[in-house]
Amino acid sequence: EVQLAESGGGLVQPGGSLRLSCAASGFTFSSYEMNWVRQAPGKGLEWVSYITSSGTSIDYADSVKGRFTISRDNAKNSLFLQMNGLRAEDTAIYYCARRVGAFDDWGQGTLVTVSS
Amino acid sequence: DIVMTQSPATLSVSPGDGATLSCRASQSVGSNVAWYQQKPGQAPRLLIYGASTRATGIPARFSGSGSGTEFTLTISSLQSEDFAVYFCQHHNNWPPYSFGQGTKLDIK
Repeated sequence: EVQLAESGGGLVQPGGSLRLSCAASGFTFSSYEMNWVRQAPGKGLEWVSYITSSGTSIDYADSVKGRFTISRDNAKNSLFLQMNGLRAEDTAIYYCARRVGAFDDWGQGTLVTVSS
Repeated sequence: DIVMTQSPATLSVSPGDGATLSCRASQSVGSNVAWYQQKPGQAPRLLIYGASTRATGIPARFSGSGSGTEFTLTISSLQSEDFAVYFCQHHNNWPPYSFGQGTKLDIK
C-alpha cells in the first residue's frame, strides 16, 4: 500500500523558514515524480512544486519561486520542501503527492501557519 | 500557463439524482485532465485521469468525458458519500499542473 506522510509544519513568523518532509513507503520511491500541493484555509488546491524521479528537473509555482526549494533523498525515500521568506499568504495545508499520470496518491498534509 | 475554470461553483442536488460538473481549459490539454474528490478534513482523492479513465476502486457511477478544452464529470445516482468538493486538473507531462477552483456538490 502506498503511504505518504508529511511532517514539519507549524507556526512560524513572517520572514521565517520551515522545512517540510514527506516519508514515502509501499512503492519504489526513486521511480516516481513527486509534487507538493497546498490548500489555504477554505480555499482550493494550488500546485507548488515538482521534482522528477532522479531530481534532475525541478519547477515551482510563480508564487513560491525564489523562496521555496524542493529536494529528495531516494536512499531514504523522502521528499522535502525548504520554505524561506514565509508570508501570511503561504498559510496552508501542504500535501505531498505522487504523480503517475495524474496525482494518484496524496499524504494527509501538514499545516503551515505564518503569523506574528 | 494553462488556467482551468470550473462551473458551477456550487451545485445542489438531491440524493439519487445525477450531477454534471464542468471544467474548461484556457488552451487545449488533449485528454490530460483529472478529477479529484475532497471531503472535509481529508486529502483529495483521484477519481478520473486521462479525462475518462476511472482510478482504481472508483465506482462506475463516476464518469468523465471531454477533450481539448471542455471536460465533464458526471455522477449518476448520487449517494450520500458523494457530497463533497470536486476539482479538475490538467496533468500534461510538465508543470505547472494547475487546478480548477472547485465545485461544491451539496445536498438539495
